[in-house]
Amino acid sequence: TQLLKQSPQFLSIQEGENLTVYCNSSSVFSSLQWYRQEPGEGPVLLVTVVTGGEVKKLKRLTFQFGDARKDSSLHITAAQPGDTGLYLCAGEKSSGDKLTFGTGTRLAVRP
Amino acid sequence: DAGVIQSPRHEVTEMGQEVTLRCKLISGHNSLFWYRQTMMRGLELLIYFNNNVPIDDSGMPEDRFSAKMPNASFSTLKIQPSEPRDSAVYFCASSFSFPYIQYFGAGTRLSVL
Repeated sequence: TQLLKQSPQFLSIQEGENLTVYCNSSSVFSSLQWYRQEPGEGPVLLVTVVTGGEVKKLKRLTFQFGDARKDSSLHITAAQPGDTGLYLCAGEKSSGDKLTFGTGTRLAVRP
Repeated sequence: DAGVIQSPRHEVTEMGQEVTLRCKLISGHNSLFWYRQTMMRGLELLIYFNNNVPIDDSGMPEDRFSAKMPNASFSTLKIQPSEPRDSAVYFCASSFSFPYIQYFGAGTRLSVL
């Protein structure tokens, strides 16, 4: 059973376009993380959000944690080929608990 | 720091053989996580340790899988005997002050023929 469902599963866009990736659950999480994984490498942490409604920006990436702490979104503005990779959300149900990873969104940005 | 180091990077073996995957944690980290990644099931947690003690092994598929931490900086994941359905990329990750900011190794791609 996947607690964290991501959509879309695959996304192929042109350089310069904007996109949003969603991470949804019926469970409440105390914190949520977003990772990016490039081919042949392990996931690398991008951001952690801990407060309901929190918005964090990382250059062209904007992350939001839902008010009820059950969902999150990642918005990329003016996507670049370097953004290509597998994006994973991961939630911690309570502080100190193990992480549960989402189903993943595979993004391809064409030059 | 060299980061989390996994070996080997690639392993091809025949069904029934024993496979041992190795992981060196980042110095000073006290939590160690073993994950398996496949296209069908995504990234799944197999087992994690805190201060060398196994905390949760509920993700270990069956008795053929075992993991150890002989010391604070090193871990092994063993599959014996291996089966074709074990083919996947296996990652280990370490963190300090569990489970925040997990640092992943580059993974071991296992193919069981």
